[in-house]
Amino acid sequence: QVHLVESGGGLVKPGGSLRLSCAASGFPFSDYYMTWIRQAPGKGLEWLSYISNSGRYTNYADSLKGRFTISRDNAKNSLFLQVNSLRAEDTAVYYCARGGVPTSINWFDSWGQGTLVTVSS
Amino acid sequence: DIQMTQSPSSLSASVGDRVTITCRASQHISTFLNWYQHKPGRAPKLLIYTATTLQSGVPSRFSGSGSGTDFTLSINILQPEDFATYYCQQSYNTPYTFGQGTNLEIK
Repeated sequence: QVHLVESGGGLVKPGGSLRLSCAASGFPFSDYYMTWIRQAPGKGLEWLSYISNSGRYTNYADSLKGRFTISRDNAKNSLFLQVNSLRAEDTAVYYCARGGVPTSINWFDSWGQGTLVTVSS
Repeated sequence: DIQMTQSPSSLSASVGDRVTITCRASQHISTFLNWYQHKPGRAPKLLIYTATTLQSGVPSRFSGSGSGTDFTLSINILQPEDFATYYCQQSYNTPYTFGQGTNLEIK
């Protein structure tokens, strides 16, 4: 079955960077759009970015202001999120999720368990 | 950005009850509306997509309705495992946006 496992979170100082990863298995990864979503402590879900199945197309929430970059390696069934210039308000659990049907991202049908990013001095 | 507003923000109910959660979009979104269930420490789970389509494996006590700007998620005959937070999400335009969540608690 579909399995998504995030990694790469941790404690980082303000201004620092992290590279989050999402290992995918159980489905043809290169057929599916993928996305990142986060949840800050005590808050709701916030969509961050998606990437097309080929990696050619990406889209970001305006609030990220160019600090985050989504990418993928279809040969390794992996999704990434490079997060730079981190701020306290970026503290959150970061989830990767799969688009609901091949070559589309209109809903997110499978999610990972998330990786926690804590930004603090 | 399209704003999604859920009501109520929290809800207390008993096993066996029927509950309804509403979601209103700040502009027309046709049926580009999805519902998720989220339990603490767990991966969110897709329940309903395109407003009314039940995701495979989701019990039929869950149902969705609506189009345009007003949507509802209904749960018939609440089960103990249904107590969780529920989110609506629009996929009409990016940035995709979620409602603030409805916390369904046991009465």
